[in-house]
Amino acid sequence: AQSVTQLGSHVSVSEGALVLLRCNYSSSVPPYLFWYVQYPNQGLQLLLKYTTGATLVKGINGFEAEFKKSETSFHLTKPSAHMSDAAEYFCAVSDYFNKFYFGSGTKLNVKP
Amino acid sequence: ETGVTQTPRHLVMGMTNKKSLKCEQHLGHNAMYWYKQSAKKPLELMFVYNFKEQTENNSVPSRFSPECPNSSHLFLHLHTLQPEDSALYLCASSPDRVIAVTNSPLHFGNGTRLTVT
Repeated sequence: AQSVTQLGSHVSVSEGALVLLRCNYSSSVPPYLFWYVQYPNQGLQLLLKYTTGATLVKGINGFEAEFKKSETSFHLTKPSAHMSDAAEYFCAVSDYFNKFYFGSGTKLNVKP
Repeated sequence: ETGVTQTPRHLVMGMTNKKSLKCEQHLGHNAMYWYKQSAKKPLELMFVYNFKEQTENNSVPSRFSPECPNSSHLFLHLHTLQPEDSALYLCASSPDRVIAVTNSPLHFGNGTRLTVT
């Protein structure tokens, strides 16, 4: 079974500052990787997904994630945080049998 | 519009009640899922259906009874629940559960917020 670790259950940044949300996975082969965002009282919305061959993945709302095989990481970044980015972010991995494994989530707080 | 619609959005029920949650997807997918999201706990996969057949039941108590009449609809029937069952119940769908379509994500509904009193 795979596992997904998100370092930091809460991250707080100032508006305009860099956002960095960390995700590490355990896998002996490159899995499929995803980031989801969840706003209050809503479901999980796909932010971006890893496509084989492209290590830097661009998603919606200005977010990006970089796949680093050597570090088994898929960290999420955004150069400049906006108040509307405040939400909970989930990293997920799926295996070749389409089974999904989710991290515990990181709540992003954006301070004015 | 997420493509996956869940009703009701909110539900309050007593421990002796019987209620049902409904999920409908308009994406042409063949796999559907129920997840439970509780405060301060990881997302928990409850059930998986693929082409209307249940393929996973992750040791879910029998007071939760899923039903999948076709690939577009999924129900979760609830009876004699406990207060600890209060949570956000999320439905999701994907093209297929067995054959991994290349990096195909799960598509989630907005959930049903269940409160058991």
